[in-house]
Order: sequence, then structure tokens, then C-alpha cells
Amino acid sequence: KAGVTQTPRYLIKTRGQQVTLSCSPISGHRSVSWYQQTPGQGLQFLFEYFSETQRNKGNFPGRFSGRQFSNSRSEMNVSTLELGDSALYLCASSLRRSSVSTDTQYFGPGTRLTVL
Amino acid sequence: QKEVEQNSGPLSVPEGAIASLNCTYSDRGSQSFFWYRQYSGKSPELIMFIYSNGDKEDGRFTAQLNKASQYVSLLIRDSQPSDSATYLCAVRGDQGGSEKLVFGKGTKLTVNP
Repeated sequence: KAGVTQTPRYLIKTRGQQVTLSCSPISGHRSVSWYQQTPGQGLQFLFEYFSETQRNKGNFPGRFSGRQFSNSRSEMNVSTLELGDSALYLCASSLRRSSVSTDTQYFGPGTRLTVL
Repeated sequence: QKEVEQNSGPLSVPEGAIASLNCTYSDRGSQSFFWYRQYSGKSPELIMFIYSNGDKEDGRFTAQLNKASQYVSLLIRDSQPSDSATYLCAVRGDQGGSEKLVFGKGTKLTVNP
């Protein structure tokens, strides 16, 4: 079974631009979560989606947004990029059988975003 | 603020030794505990998860959980140079079905041949 895929793998943008990152979960997985990883802050939760609905959101500004499609694929968007947004953005998927159940998360390879 | 604390290391052990990685968490309502391994430049890879107090063994890896002490550990027996990586402890609370994981900042392990 193919793992979580993320595109693009690397991205270079300039301040003020916006960016869209894509995540395709493991086949059959219905839940997608996004995390930001930086050397200083480590891995921090951004948001999670299940059944096309945002279920939880981390402590990030409104410039960070996301969505999930009916095939469970997810995108996240960052508008008005800042230098501090440079990070590895990781997507994780889980099987998740219902809105009240939880499951083990498996990570994709990540998108390395550099903001100049 | 719910926190997960790990010794940043680096932890250095000789090949064949037991590596012991520790993690404490602040949220007493936490229900699920995970260990991920992350090689430099790669994404986190799940090693083990544990939900109940006690020990859980999988090959050379043993996870130990003590909810009363809010402590979880990972033991790696017969450590190999290929085990050299950063080990991330992650905790999921009782958040009404949220998948959110809170991560420690990781312990860097080096296994010397």
C-alpha cells in the first residue's frame, strides 16, 4: 500500500507570496492532520480534517488555512508568507473509523518551504 | 499549555548497548502515547504506540508507560548504528476524538560502532 504523499517536496517563495501544499493520505485513511516542524519549536500541530470538516486547529494565525476534499486529499494554504514560515510541513493520515474515534498517524515525506 | 518534555541529548551509546529514552507529559488526561523515529532530513516514522500502563515489547523496542508518574520511556536493546536518529515522543489527550498529537522536541541518539 502506498504511503502518504505530499507535493511539492521543496518550495522556495518570497515574503508576501502565498503557497498551497497538497497531501494525499494512505488509501482508505479518512483523517488528515498537518504539522509544522522547525528547529526551534519542533513539531507543532496546525489542523486536522475528517469528513471534509476541520476538527481541531492549532495556535497559528489565520494566514494558515486548509481544507479536505471528498476523496480525503487535503491542501493547506499559507498567505502573506513571512520569513518565519520557513519550515518542514508534514501531513499525517490515519484510518479513523468515526468522528469520535482516533487512530495511529502516519507521516508523509513533508514539504520543505523556504521563504526568502 | 500541555507539554511534552524530552532530554534533547545527544545520547551516545556503544553498539550492542541498551539505549533508554525518556519522556514526561503534563496533561493527566492523556490517553495515547507514541514514539516516532526521525532520521536527519526525513519525516517521522512510527516505532511504537502504547495506551495502557506497563510495558509493550516489539522486537528490540520496549515502550514503558506510567500514567501515575506521567512518564513514558523507550528502550532499544542491542542498539545498532542504524538506530542513530532523533526520537520523538508524542502524546494524544482525551480531546473528544481529536487526532492532535503534542510532540516533545526529541532526543538525538547516536550509536557508536
